[in-house]
Amino acid sequence: GAVVSQHPSRVICKSGTSVKIECRSLDFQATTMFWYRQFPKQSLMLMATSNEGSKATYEQGVEKDKFLINHASLTLSTLTVTSAHPEDSSFYICSAGRPESSYEQYFGPGTRLTVT
Amino acid sequence: AQSVSQHNHHVILSEAASLELGCNYSYGGTVNLFWYVQYPGQHLQLLLKYFSGDPLVKGIKGFEAEFIKSKFSFNLRKPSVQWSDTAEYFCAATGSSNTGKLIFGQGTTLQVKP
Repeated sequence: GAVVSQHPSRVICKSGTSVKIECRSLDFQATTMFWYRQFPKQSLMLMATSNEGSKATYEQGVEKDKFLINHASLTLSTLTVTSAHPEDSSFYICSAGRPESSYEQYFGPGTRLTVT
Repeated sequence: AQSVSQHNHHVILSEAASLELGCNYSYGGTVNLFWYVQYPGQHLQLLLKYFSGDPLVKGIKGFEAEFIKSKFSFNLRKPSVQWSDTAEYFCAATGSSNTGKLIFGQGTTLQVKP
């Protein structure tokens, strides 16, 4: 149990366009989901915490108007990178916490975004 | 400020060698600690976790970690590594008031030579 999926796994887009990444908890309901960004050979940096039915909480330095997060249901959170630029190219990873144990997170496989 | 630090950035070992990866944390209050592994091309997987109780925690694949409160450390160990342990290892922490918000260390790349 506790499987988290992401779609798409890879996406290439042109500069100025928007890209939506989906994160789904497949076999459990997740009241809280997290979005991370991972640069090559570096650690994960938390971008935002997504709570079902409420606005996301963004970490310092993360532009909320650029990285739109929606958590419309207990199994789905989406991250939309708006007006993407080459510097937004990165590996985006989501995770989901189980309500009974929000300390333990289950990670998705990640989405490789390349902006040309 | 809350932080997690991993001092070994790149470790190279031969098969059957013993492994110890360092992790130190800086946190106020109660802390929950984790080790995650990321195999090449795969997603993060939980190796083990410490919430409370016995400070020596055993995880999957023969890994263990010891929580030493006085040293603010949570080092990962394995007595005999295998080539298949080649991966990136991340130490992470969350406080009891953070609702699961994880702070990750910088990661350690482990390369095991056959």
